[in-house]
Amino acid sequence: DAKTTQPPSMDCAEGRAANLPCNHSTISGNEYVYWYRQIHSQGPQYIIHGLKNNETNEMASLIITEDRKSSTLILPHATLRDTAVYYCIVRVSLTGTASKLTFGTGTRLQVTL
Amino acid sequence: DGGITQSPKYLFRKEGQNVTLSCEQNLNHDAMYWYRQDPGQGLRLIYYSQIVNDFQKGDIAEGYSVSREKKESFPLTVTSAQKNPTAFYLCASRAHVSNTGELFFGEGSRLTVL
Repeated sequence: DAKTTQPPSMDCAEGRAANLPCNHSTISGNEYVYWYRQIHSQGPQYIIHGLKNNETNEMASLIITEDRKSSTLILPHATLRDTAVYYCIVRVSLTGTASKLTFGTGTRLQVTL
Repeated sequence: DGGITQSPKYLFRKEGQNVTLSCEQNLNHDAMYWYRQDPGQGLRLIYYSQIVNDFQKGDIAEGYSVSREKKESFPLTVTSAQKNPTAFYLCASRAHVSNTGELFFGEGSRLTVL
């Protein structure tokens, strides 16, 4: 399975951009990178995903390096409600066309005043 | 509103008892998943189902059982054979198991064994 490595925790001042890095050096050519976040004791919330091009939606931007070995999730203007654990995940193939998402321990982002 | 509903939110059980966690979705999704989360840990896959009347073991299936008799329902039974059942259980669904789109999660069920 392709593994991901994330820093265990990060701090960000409210209103500033939060840049969350992720290393996935063993990723295969057809594996997507997903980002989810989890607020304490709730179900994870989807943020964004991508294959090789940079992606942007109303929540965040995803920057994937050209060699696809790492990526960065950017929250452009962090708020206190963005305090959560952020998971970087690589889509792993199961049997045939089935796939699963393997969640590591993520990065705990603390947004402060 | 479409979504995934898990119940109960909190559950207490005595050792040696089986317990069933409910997961219902009205998103018309084919694929459904059960994950377990321990404190400070990531999510681990227990079982998944690609279609009605079919399901496969995930990484930590021992001590658990599931059924998929209806498309919208994927209940998880935690049996007495599960050595350490106290955990946060999350159900998820996706339009199709090979779909690259997002995985939708329920709000979770927290099981405590007394």
